[in-house]
Amino acid sequence: AQKITQTQPGMFVQEKEAVTLDCTYDTSDQSYGLFWYKQPSSGEMIFLIYQGSYDEQNATEGRYSLNFQKARKSANLVISASQLGDSAMYFCAMREGRNYGQNFVFGPGTRLSVLP
Amino acid sequence: GAVVSQHPSRVICKSGTSVKIECRSLDFQATTMFWYRQFPKQSLMLMATSNEGSKATYEQGVEKDKFLINHASLTLSTLTVTSAHPEDSSFYICSIKTGLAADTQYFGPGTRLTVL
Repeated sequence: AQKITQTQPGMFVQEKEAVTLDCTYDTSDQSYGLFWYKQPSSGEMIFLIYQGSYDEQNATEGRYSLNFQKARKSANLVISASQLGDSAMYFCAMREGRNYGQNFVFGPGTRLSVLP
Repeated sequence: GAVVSQHPSRVICKSGTSVKIECRSLDFQATTMFWYRQFPKQSLMLMATSNEGSKATYEQGVEKDKFLINHASLTLSTLTVTSAHPEDSSFYICSIKTGLAADTQYFGPGTRLTVL
């Protein structure tokens, strides 16, 4: 079974508008971390935002916020005031367990295109 | 975040040759580094976990004799693709484990390998 599901293979958004990228996850661990990465056409993976399973407040980093709904096991990324430079692949990832040696599991990604 | 470099960024080689890819942590001592592989339009798949001073841990289905990993220091891990074949053509990305609270992984810019 997929541990990370991103149901939107592609998304379009108008410049300056907000967009939500969906991510649902599957884990039986109580302690886990959720991450979002951006991958532009250059290929580099850029860390955007992190949400811990015990964090009560939704994480925010500048124009990025994470809509964390633990009961629904969803961790959607919200990008406000989209910019042309936001066009990229976006990956949701999860680290399970308290053991920080655990590796990440990545979702299939969502390609975001920002329209001028 | 931590800065990670990879060299080379792009390599083209003939079938049957070996290719070495370097991953360097420029400002962080990384006891653990990860090697990922990404096929076109797909997500990242973990290949192996590289531990400084010990043998790497390979994921199921990854041939350790074909993908040799050496983590000789806290700042350098190398991946050698031995006797490369066209099916090994891919984007190879390394990341470092920071050990910070969120245990965010920081990624290198990736190496695009093309085997003719």
